[in-house]
Amino acid sequence: QKEVEQNSGPLSVPEGAIASLNCTYSDRGSQSFFWYRQYSGKSPELIMFIYSNGDKEDGRFTAQLNKASQYVSLLIRDSQPSDSATYLCAVGRTGGGNKLTFGTGTQLKVEL
Amino acid sequence: KAGVTQTPRYLIKTRGQQVTLSCSPISGHRSVSWYQQTPGQGLQFLFEYFSETQRNKGNFPGRFSGRQFSNSRSEMNVSTLELGDSALYLCASSPGQGALNTEAFFGQGTRLTVV
Repeated sequence: QKEVEQNSGPLSVPEGAIASLNCTYSDRGSQSFFWYRQYSGKSPELIMFIYSNGDKEDGRFTAQLNKASQYVSLLIRDSQPSDSATYLCAVGRTGGGNKLTFGTGTQLKVEL
Repeated sequence: KAGVTQTPRYLIKTRGQQVTLSCSPISGHRSVSWYQQTPGQGLQFLFEYFSETQRNKGNFPGRFSGRQFSNSRSEMNVSTLELGDSALYLCASSPGQGALNTEAFFGQGTRLTVV
């Protein structure tokens, strides 16, 4: 079992729709959760982070965390073609310094 | 505020050679982490340096090493290069200390090709 799992996709959504990206993790000691966006040929860009159970909203993005079920999700509202990218889920644990364990990413395609 | 700077951006090396990559973190950030990204394995953690000390290490052979200087700049070295070392090497800068992982900001990466 991988430590951080994501569906590789591609996930295709029409422009203006809500894109839902999911991530599960296996380490119950995980305390910090991050979503990165990576365009082809570019480096990962931090979108959001969440530490506590529940929802955290930032503009069109909402991160959701459920530690009991060990999953974290990212919702993108009003999806735009410019949102087409690979979304990486990353997880850190207390006492792990700044080490992050990444999923392999979900490719999102927003279609006109 | 300047971002994370990695040099060089591209490198072509021959098997058996060694290579040194450099990373300058965001001003004020004390933690530098290194990751290897390949199509097959995704992003894999190499090591983290904080205040000139290696704080974490991933599951990579001893050919991969690093260091951090007093100004927080970091270098990583790969000796005896193998074809499988071809990858994008990413440096991540974080503020550093805290009970929870802090946000990590990536540089543009160094694309290493071993021939």
